[in-house]
Formats: sequence, structure tokens, C-alpha cells
Amino acid sequence: QSVLTQPPSMSAAPGQKVTISCSGISSNIGNNHVSWYQQLPGTAPKLLIYYNNQRPSGVPDRFSGSKSGTSATLGISGLQTGDEADYFCGSWDSSVSAVVFGGGTKLTVL
Amino acid sequence: EVQVVESGGGLVQPGRSLRLSCTTSGFTFGDYSMSWVRQAPGKGLEWVGFIRSKTYGGTTDYAASVKGRFIISRDDSKSTAYLQLNSLKTEDTALYFCTRVQDYSDGIGYYVYYSDYWGQGTLVTVSS
Repeated sequence: QSVLTQPPSMSAAPGQKVTISCSGISSNIGNNHVSWYQQLPGTAPKLLIYYNNQRPSGVPDRFSGSKSGTSATLGISGLQTGDEADYFCGSWDSSVSAVVFGGGTKLTVL
Repeated sequence: EVQVVESGGGLVQPGRSLRLSCTTSGFTFGDYSMSWVRQAPGKGLEWVGFIRSKTYGGTTDYAASVKGRFIISRDDSKSTAYLQLNSLKTEDTALYFCTRVQDYSDGIGYYVYYSDYWGQGTLVTVSS
């Protein structure tokens, strides 16, 4: 069981918007920053969001991140079939001096 | 262009050891922390541990599941990080990714940690 909680799967139609939640506690999300990773089928994870809401260069602004208290959210608007992937959230956990990840959310674009 | 390439994976018997290498290029290796993350077949990501840059003491932190068995080290002269896997168990079977890490305090007490570049991974299979 993962320390951070994500919905195992979500689906939406092309063009729609989806929000993926990531729930933690004070020692991780509550007091540290959150990052999000996209893993396309058969590939390595790729950084999507860092510092809660910052996009690396090259990541489209269709992807957004936010954090409130002990929860974080990844938003993807204007869904495309190429967005079908697993999405993971991650954060440092100060109580165990380790990085914790969510279990991942498999996004299907119908 | 930043490149991260893992090597050294393979089939190993339970209780044996293996050393993975992470060769990098395209950035000043010594300025960065490096981490290892693994992914069991069909499962999610599991952080294994990381090593800070020499500027921050070159210290390491590990996940509880591998502490005392795995050792991360680095050779800045070769721009390479290593993961020594000892006393391997069947549950250590996974694809092992090496990542470049950005880690710092944001100035108001919050810690920023993320992996901005990932290798393609090297597969470790522990089986008799």
C-alpha cells in the first residue's frame, strides 16, 4: 500500500478535462512540495510538474498542478489520446527521510 | 543534452549481490544528487534511495525496505552513480531507474525534491 493515495484509474473523453488527486499527511505533502510524473506505456517516467505547480520546459500548459493542505491535484485539460498513461505523485516525507509516491493513476482517454 | 543510462541488471539468485551503474553526461554530475527508483512488474514506483552531492556531504538516505542491504555511491570523476544490491530477495525483482535529483529547501522550511531526468532502467530479476 502506497503512502500517498491516488485513484487507481480514471477515464475521460478527448477534449475534456480530468483532475487526479493525491492525498497525503502533514509529514509529506503537508510540509513539502509535490511533483508529478507521467509514464507512457513501455517507457520511463517523465517529470510533468514540480514545486506543486511548475512545469518543466516542453510540458504543455494543458497540464497543471496545485496543492492545498495535505492534498495535491494534477489537472489535464484538452485531453488527447496521447495522454493515456500512468500518472504518479511524489513528495519528500520528513518523518522517514524518504521519498514517497502515490500508487499511480491509469488514465484512459476514451 | 542530459543523458542517464543504467546498466548491470540481470538474473541473480536470492541471497546474492549485484551492482548497477548509472552513467551520465550532459551536465556537471558533481553538482547534483542522484537517486534510484524501482518498479516491480505491473506495479507502481518505489523510491530506493539517493545520494547527495559532495557539496552537501555526499550523504545517503534509503527506503526502509532496502536499508542495510543496498548501498548507493558515486564517482564524480566518472559522472557515474552506483547501486550495490546485497542479500537480494525475490521481492527485489524490478526495473531499476536512475534519476537526476533536484533537492533544496525553499527558504520557508519546505523541502523540494524531484527527479528531473530518468534513465530507461535496467531489469533485475531475483530467482532461483
